[in-house]
Amino acid sequence: DTGVSQDPRHKITKRGQNVTFRCDPISEHNRLYWYRQTLGQGPEFLTYFQNEAQLEKSRLLSDRFSAERPKGSFSTLEIQRTEQGDSAMYLCASSPGQGVGYGYTFGSGTRLTVV
Amino acid sequence: EDQVTQSPEALRLQEGESSSLNCSYTVSGLRGLFWYRQDPGKGPEFLFTLYSAGEEKEKERLKATLTKKESFLHITAPKPEDSATYLCAVRLEGGGNKLTFGTGTQLKVEL
Repeated sequence: DTGVSQDPRHKITKRGQNVTFRCDPISEHNRLYWYRQTLGQGPEFLTYFQNEAQLEKSRLLSDRFSAERPKGSFSTLEIQRTEQGDSAMYLCASSPGQGVGYGYTFGSGTRLTVV
Repeated sequence: EDQVTQSPEALRLQEGESSSLNCSYTVSGLRGLFWYRQDPGKGPEFLFTLYSAGEEKEKERLKATLTKKESFLHITAPKPEDSATYLCAVRLEGGGNKLTFGTGTQLKVEL
């Protein structure tokens, strides 16, 4: 297992188009997170899954955003009708089971540019 | 409102010149404070978790400490390969499993 994998690494899209990103977490991790990071800022929480259940969603996750983790393994994040303000790095992270002390393992992110 | 503030925003050091980065937080109910390192174009890399005031963790040239209001990341005799952005984040009581990040300190270590 080589860590958290995200695809694609870069995506350029025209305003109004839909985009979908994929995240493959570390196989034994049952928790999966999506964050968004803009230049000069720290990552901002978007949503969290435990297995296939989406347990938390940020107010940042507007109706145009949807995330799934259908079999508790990989996850997808879809943005519909993209806007220029959606341009950011989208980071996926995973972590094992219970407890506070573990740090998340982040992927390298998908950089989205909306033109 | 819960806040995480990091200072300085940017820091330039000479190789071997020790210094400290600060992360101050005003939150109600801390369940853990995390330090991450982020290289350009990559995701954050986990460094440490601290739970309670007085706790310290070390890894190579890095040492993290925690008080009731802030955390410090001490860098001893840094090398150019320590250049990165250092992020701190908190997990809160009643905040579920999300982390709230600061904006980071961009560290540059020069020869």
